[in-house]
Amino acid sequence: DAGVIQSPRHEVTEMGQEVTLRCKPISGHNSLFWYRQTMMRGLELLIYFNNNVPIDDSGMPEDRFSAKMPNASFSTLKIQPSEPRDSAVYFCASSRTSGAYNEQFFGPGTRLTVL
Amino acid sequence: AQSVTQPDIHITVSEGASLELRCNYSYGATPYLFWYVQSPGQGLQLLLKYFSGDTLVQGIKGFEAEFKRSQSSFNLRKPSVHWSDAAEYFCAVGAAGGGNKLTFGTGTQLKVEL
Repeated sequence: DAGVIQSPRHEVTEMGQEVTLRCKPISGHNSLFWYRQTMMRGLELLIYFNNNVPIDDSGMPEDRFSAKMPNASFSTLKIQPSEPRDSAVYFCASSRTSGAYNEQFFGPGTRLTVL
Repeated sequence: AQSVTQPDIHITVSEGASLELRCNYSYGATPYLFWYVQSPGQGLQLLLKYFSGDTLVQGIKGFEAEFKRSQSSFNLRKPSVHWSDAAEYFCAVGAAGGGNKLTFGTGTQLKVEL
């Protein structure tokens, strides 16, 4: 059974360019989370979706960041324009929402470097 | 809002020694508590979780954690550490009605000396 799939695994881009990160959650999971991990701030929740609807985007740093989930099997996180301070590892996680808390399953992450 | 504190940024133990990683949480009601492990270059993997019931929970890879409400703690333990346990460990808390949203601690980096 495939886990959470993220692409690309590594991305190097120049400041000002648009970056799109992709995530395919585990089939049957209806919650999806985007996180950013840096040495300075640790693991931060950027946004999460429930049944493809954004529920909480309070962690999105600024308008340059946007996330979409057009269907249950795909989500994107876009940064436009990118800046060097956006360099981080971005994780996508998914879970099944039913009753009590359920485990979040994490993807391998996308390491983004903005030059 | 809930929060998590992991007071130890780095811990070094010898292989075969016992391990305890500290986690303190802040939340007004009974929390949902988790420990995750992250190996270098990997995503996070769940070690164990506490929702209710027995306050001592067993996880994978020989780890266990104990929920202590009076101390607002959920410390992770292992009786005998293996070199392969070297990784970063994250404690996380969820709130009822939070839709599986978690708040993570800053992590503890574990180094194992052979």
